[in-house]
Amino acid sequence: DAGVTQSPTHLIKTRGQHVTLRCSPISGHKSVSWYQQVLGQGPQFIFQYYEKEERGRGNFPDRFSARQFPNYSSELNVNALLLGDSALYLCASSGRARDSPLHFGNGTRLTVT
Amino acid sequence: GEDVEQSLFLSVREGDSSVINCTYTDSSSTYLYWYKQEPGAGLQLLTYIFSNMDMKQDQRLTVLLNKKDKHLSLRIADTQTGDSAIYFCAESISSGGSNYKLTFGKGTLLTVNP
Repeated sequence: DAGVTQSPTHLIKTRGQHVTLRCSPISGHKSVSWYQQVLGQGPQFIFQYYEKEERGRGNFPDRFSARQFPNYSSELNVNALLLGDSALYLCASSGRARDSPLHFGNGTRLTVT
Repeated sequence: GEDVEQSLFLSVREGDSSVINCTYTDSSSTYLYWYKQEPGAGLQLLTYIFSNMDMKQDQRLTVLLNKKDKHLSLRIADTQTGDSAIYFCAESISSGGSNYKLTFGKGTLLTVNP
């Protein structure tokens, strides 16, 4: 079975640009979450979506937005990129049950110059 | 509050046991997780434990949970060079229903020396 897939794997953008990152969950998983991992740190929660509705939002500015599609795939959008947005962006999916484990993709490495 | 603390580094000899420790602060945590991250890769779920359990064993991995002290440990038996990676402890914080997030520690870099 395919795991969580993310695209692209690497991305280089300049300050002020916007970026869209994509994620396909494990088949049958309806919840998708996004995390930001800055070098040397643990992942930080950005969003959780379940059944196409936002269920949780971390302490990130409004430049960060996301959505979930009817097929449960998801996009993370970041506007007006800053140098500090350079990070590994991880998508995770989980099943329907509360607290079912998160399974992570390999992430998208975003570099902002 | 939410905070997960881990020691940053651990070095062991191949064949020895490794013990990685973690403390957390949120007493409402329902599940606690261990993830492994190799260079350039995402997070691999190793194991997890429900907060009403004391211990869970899965092949070479043993998780011990002391809920009173909010202390979690991961023991890797017969550590191999392929176990070299960063290990993250995470607690699950639920806001009800299917809404929840993970709070991670900063990770413990495990180095296995031949």
